[in-house]
Amino acid sequence: SAVISQKPSRDICQRGTSLTIQCQVDSQVTMMFWYRQQPGQSLTLIATANQGSEATYESGFVIDKFPISRPNLTFSTLTVSNMSPEDSSIYLCSVEESAGGSDEQFFGPGTRLTVL
Amino acid sequence: RKEVEQDPGPFNVPEGATVAFNCTYSNSASQSFFWYRQDCRKEPKLLMSVYSSGNEDGRFTAQLNRASQYISLLIRDSKLSDSATYLCVVNLGGNTPLVFGKGTRLSVIA
Repeated sequence: SAVISQKPSRDICQRGTSLTIQCQVDSQVTMMFWYRQQPGQSLTLIATANQGSEATYESGFVIDKFPISRPNLTFSTLTVSNMSPEDSSIYLCSVEESAGGSDEQFFGPGTRLTVL
Repeated sequence: RKEVEQDPGPFNVPEGATVAFNCTYSNSASQSFFWYRQDCRKEPKLLMSVYSSGNEDGRFTAQLNRASQYISLLIRDSKLSDSATYLCVVNLGGNTPLVFGKGTRLSVIA
């Protein structure tokens, strides 16, 4: 199974600043996703990070607020821009791997963001 | 209507009890179904896939009813270590992302 690391694991940021979260996978993967999990809530997909092209954003999420990079098949970044307290959440990177005819999604350990 | 709906929880059960979680999904085109487990302050991890014929993995049994668009998870002989949030997850297939339910919190108490 894919091993995923995220940096930073947590951060406390001031309103109006930006934070870039890094996601590194130990193998080449086609599909990488960024999710958000707000306190007491389930996971909400922000966008699919596409290698070599612009990310595909879900309804309610825009590139100006959450720019994403995907320079190769093992790495992606998510930036949370112009942060407000409402952006306080856990941000999770996820990859999809195919094995034995089925697809499984693996998650990174998450980045816990608190915006003051 | 939410795409994936689960029992509200929380479920507080004694050790050794049998507990069942239910889940419904709204998109009849959904192809794949899963139960994920998320421990407190940890990332979700796949517990088991759910197949049309139903499947069992030790103390865990998953069932799928496509006609009713209903998925269930049964845990027998609950252990303290089963305490977690259980997420019902569906997928439309074709490189589309997973859709998560809100999760059902289980606490197994001694």
